[in-house]
Amino acid sequence: DIQMTQSPPSVSASVGDTVTITCRATQAINRWLAWYQHRAGEPPKLLIYAASNLIGGVPTRFSGSGSGTEFTLTINNLQPEDFGTYYCQQANSLPPWIFGGGTRVDIK
Amino acid sequence: QVQLQESGPGLVKPSETLSLTCNVSDASVNSHTHYWDWIRQSPGKGLEWIGSIYYTGHTYYSTSLRGRLALSVDPSRNHFSLRLHAVTAADTAIYFCARRTLDNFFDYWGLGLMVTVSS
Repeated sequence: DIQMTQSPPSVSASVGDTVTITCRATQAINRWLAWYQHRAGEPPKLLIYAASNLIGGVPTRFSGSGSGTEFTLTINNLQPEDFGTYYCQQANSLPPWIFGGGTRVDIK
Repeated sequence: QVQLQESGPGLVKPSETLSLTCNVSDASVNSHTHYWDWIRQSPGKGLEWIGSIYYTGHTYYSTSLRGRLALSVDPSRNHFSLRLHAVTAADTAIYFCARRTLDNFFDYWGLGLMVTVSS
């Protein structure tokens, strides 16, 4: 199975900062990668699909990049509502669809 | 707005069967363009995909649960269900239902339901 490794496991940042989260796959997955935000008490929310495509309604301060085995989620101009845990997910053609271990973002 | 909502018991005894249902609103489980999936999160751990069902009844199961897990879909009630047999403490988790696109992205999720396996 393809495994996904996220880093860092957690990050504490101030409003206005830029936060970068990395996700690495053990095998090349082209651009078949998604990013999710999960805030306590809410359903996980799809932010980005196919590595860099922003879901409608998601603020443009969120962006994704990468292909193959290395991917990045960048949050520019961090806002208080951006706290939560972020997960990457490989969306390769066959199951299992594996998630990264998550990155918790705390607002200072 | 598509909504999914899990329902079922919050407490199950070891060796018994866990049964959960996911009710779907503003979307049809008869969709040709989506799958219906279950994902869980054990305490202190990340998200684990466990199974998927298509409107035809075709299923995919995680190898770690194959043999204990059964998924079904009921178009008449617009819901899909999970049955996990012979549960142990290791099955204690928040169980999410989710809709998966044909490109394998989970575009809508339920809130999740905490299930504890304990006597």
